[in-house]
Amino acid sequence: EDQVTQSPEALRLQEGESSSLNCSYTVSGLRGLFWYRQDPGKGPEFLFTLYSAGEEKEKERLKATLTKKESFLHITAPKPEDSATYLCAVQGKAAGNKLTFGGGTRVLVKP
Amino acid sequence: KAGVTQTPRYLIKTRGQQVTLSCSPISGHRSVSWYQQTPGQGLQFLFEYFSETQRNKGNFPGRFSGRQFSNSRSEMNVSTLELGDSALYLCASSPNGTPEAFFGQGTRLTVV
Repeated sequence: EDQVTQSPEALRLQEGESSSLNCSYTVSGLRGLFWYRQDPGKGPEFLFTLYSAGEEKEKERLKATLTKKESFLHITAPKPEDSATYLCAVQGKAAGNKLTFGGGTRVLVKP
Repeated sequence: KAGVTQTPRYLIKTRGQQVTLSCSPISGHRSVSWYQQTPGQGLQFLFEYFSETQRNKGNFPGRFSGRQFSNSRSEMNVSTLELGDSALYLCASSPNGTPEAFFGQGTRLTVV
């Protein structure tokens, strides 16, 4: 059974203070690892897909990396608008489009 | 391009009733998946439909069911509602051949 664990559960940052979020996973044949951002009361917003170990993707202040067991989401010089819950999910090759999610990391960036 | 549209956005139902939620996927997307999100369990997969056929199903009781129409729109139904069914129900659509899933804003169901 696919499993995803995210840490920490919550993160409080000062504006400009860079940090990293961790996503550890086990999956039978990785088809893709996904990062989403979710604001309160809204649906998850797609950020990145990573397909194989060593791959990196960047978008504004966010950078996602992937190894065979973990993914990291680096937030560089965050701003208050980066405050959100960040969700990691995996999809196995035999799972159709089913996503298995981690519990998320709640990020609060204070000005 | 319009995103995934879910209706209604909010719903209050009484225990024992049934409810139907609707999802219109992004134009051209044939795969629609449903998820339940609660504070305790997080996001959990309910089922996936592709070309009107259920392709995958999560570990939920038979009270949870769904269907997909020929225009790819999907509905999910929950019968005999329980207090524990209170949750944010999310629909996601995926383009054919790629694994990315794009979510709607969800339907907030409250069972009283």
